[in-house]
Amino acid sequence: DQQVKQNSPSLSVQEGRISILNCDYTNSMFDYFLWYKKYPAEGPTFLISISSIKDKNEDGRFTVFLNKSAKHLSLHIVPSQPGDSAVYFCAASATSGTYKYIFGTGTRLKVLA
Amino acid sequence: AAGVIQSPRHLIKEKRETATLKCYPIPRHDTVYWYQQGPGQDPQFLISFYEKMQSDKGSIPDRFSAQQFSDYHSELNMSSLELGDSALYFCASSFGQGVGAFFGQGTRLTVV
Repeated sequence: DQQVKQNSPSLSVQEGRISILNCDYTNSMFDYFLWYKKYPAEGPTFLISISSIKDKNEDGRFTVFLNKSAKHLSLHIVPSQPGDSAVYFCAASATSGTYKYIFGTGTRLKVLA
Repeated sequence: AAGVIQSPRHLIKEKRETATLKCYPIPRHDTVYWYQQGPGQDPQFLISFYEKMQSDKGSIPDRFSAQQFSDYHSELNMSSLELGDSALYFCASSFGQGVGAFFGQGTRLTVV
């Protein structure tokens, strides 16, 4: 049972435009969410996080939106750059009682120059 | 800035052998997580430690064991290796729990 889902395996965006990566979760106990960026053969790099007490968190070109009622979060990258091309994973955890991160299946983003 | 260090970066073992993967967390980080990523798969949580005690357990086979030492580094011990154990093994660390974790570069284990 996949508790964290990224339904788009890939996404192509023109340089300078907005990239929107989506993530859905099923476990209502999740209250902390993260986005990671991963290049081949490297460890995931932490990008941005959001706690369930907020619905938006912004860091430079990256903004994460959380819709708790829909159990949905999204990562917006504006403007997209070729260096953003990578696989993006969302991850979720329930901070009360368990400390593991459950990863989604990833979305491969390709930013076209 | 210091990052999470994993060693070795690459490891080749034969079936039924034993392997030990090491993880050195970022200084002052007290929580360590281990993940396994098979080819074309998302990272799967194996096990985590907080303050040298196991805090959570995921899909870790009984052939695997791990511990966190007094200096907070962690080791993942894998015995009776199988071909299906070939994967990238990532370690991550964080200060406290439920916060963003930082990942190491991973150890690529190949079982032949």
